[in-house]
Amino acid sequence: AQSVTQLGSHVSVSEGALVLLRCNYSSSVPPYLFWYVQYPNQGLQLLLKYTSAATLVKGINGFEAEFKKSETSFHLTKPSAHMSDAAEYFCAVTSYSGGGADGLTFGKGTHLIIQP
Amino acid sequence: DAMVIQNPRYQVTQFGKPVTLSCSQTLNHNVMYWYQQKSSQAPKLLFHYYDKDFNNEADTPDNFQSRRPNTSFCFLDIRSPGLGDAAMYLCATSKTRDPRYEQYFGPGTRLTVT
Repeated sequence: AQSVTQLGSHVSVSEGALVLLRCNYSSSVPPYLFWYVQYPNQGLQLLLKYTSAATLVKGINGFEAEFKKSETSFHLTKPSAHMSDAAEYFCAVTSYSGGGADGLTFGKGTHLIIQP
Repeated sequence: DAMVIQNPRYQVTQFGKPVTLSCSQTLNHNVMYWYQQKSSQAPKLLFHYYDKDFNNEADTPDNFQSRRPNTSFCFLDIRSPGLGDAAMYLCATSKTRDPRYEQYFGPGTRLTVT
């Protein structure tokens, strides 16, 4: 079975500061990892994904994440926070078996707050 | 624009009164998923269709059913909604069951049970 753990249910940063959202995974098979963002009362939008190619993955809106197998981590970063980044962020891993993907297993989410 | 559409965006139903939520997609994806997201929680997979193959999660209550009459549409039926079923219901699609493919989410339907 695959699972993810997000450390910190709330993260607050100042506008212009570095954003770091933490995600650790557990998987008995090679993991496929995703970061999604959710704005209030909306669906989830894909920020980026790791699918075993490059370990440093660049996504939309200036976000990137680095896959570190030794640390079982896939932390999300952005060099300079913008007010529009305030949202809920979910790390997810694909649950899959021999037949293929069975769906996403999400972490509990991190609420990102941007201070002006 | 190709997309995932959910109707209605907001649904109010009475305790015990059956309700159906609708999802359609113009992406021509083979896989469709339904997730339940309760307030301030992560989305939780209920079931998915790979083509016409239905796959139920082990802990999805029997009260929840789904239909996929064709590639484009998928429905979530709640036979007898309880107060605990109040949540955001998210529909998602994926091109295939290849785990490298991301899922595309609709805007969700927020269900209120009175």
